[in-house]
Amino acid sequence: EIVLTQSPATLSLSPGERATLSCRASQSLSSSYLSWYQQKLGQAPRLLIYGASTRATGIPARFSGSGSGTDFTLTISSLQPEDFAVYYCQQDYLSYTFGQGTKLEIK
Amino acid sequence: QVQLQESGPGLVRPSETLSLTCNVSNGAIKSQYWSWIRQPPGKGLEYIGYIHHNGITNYNPSLKSRVTISVDTSKNQFSLKVTSVTAADTALYYCARVGSVTTSTFFDHWGQGILVTVSS
Repeated sequence: EIVLTQSPATLSLSPGERATLSCRASQSLSSSYLSWYQQKLGQAPRLLIYGASTRATGIPARFSGSGSGTDFTLTISSLQPEDFAVYYCQQDYLSYTFGQGTKLEIK
Repeated sequence: QVQLQESGPGLVRPSETLSLTCNVSNGAIKSQYWSWIRQPPGKGLEYIGYIHHNGITNYNPSLKSRVTISVDTSKNQFSLKVTSVTAADTALYYCARVGSVTTSTFFDHWGQGILVTVSS
């Protein structure tokens, strides 16, 4: 099983700041087998990024994904109030697994 | 756009079978893969398995011995059964569509989730 480790567990930032979330895989995922999701309290997860760097339909340009191999990053360029949520990475290189999540909270 | 809705009992007794159904609307169930994912209260997401309309399945190895996913194309539904449940199976259960672009697959449409509690 491929284990995804997300860091930090909690990130405290202010609106307008830049957020950088990390996802590390226990083995190489190539460059296209990593997705990112946003989950707000009481809601289902929402797909943000697939293929490591492609934004899903309707996702604002302030969200970007990068990385390959074992290290991946989700960047939110300028935080909006609605961006404070929990973020999960997910791999589909070998079956499917999710990271444990990063909680992005208002500082 | 496609919409998914889970249904089923919210309470299941220990050692019994959990059964859920996902109704797919605004889109045909054929030619797509459909999945179940769960989330224990306050915890992260766990992939359970997927099914294709032709019956091809894939299960999380940690759950494979207790899980069955089936599809009914005539009703545009797919279903989940988990046998011999324990308190560890208490979770919010989501159904989701598996989208794909070239070699990348992901969960692009989700139901709202249904909370299933295992308790006597």
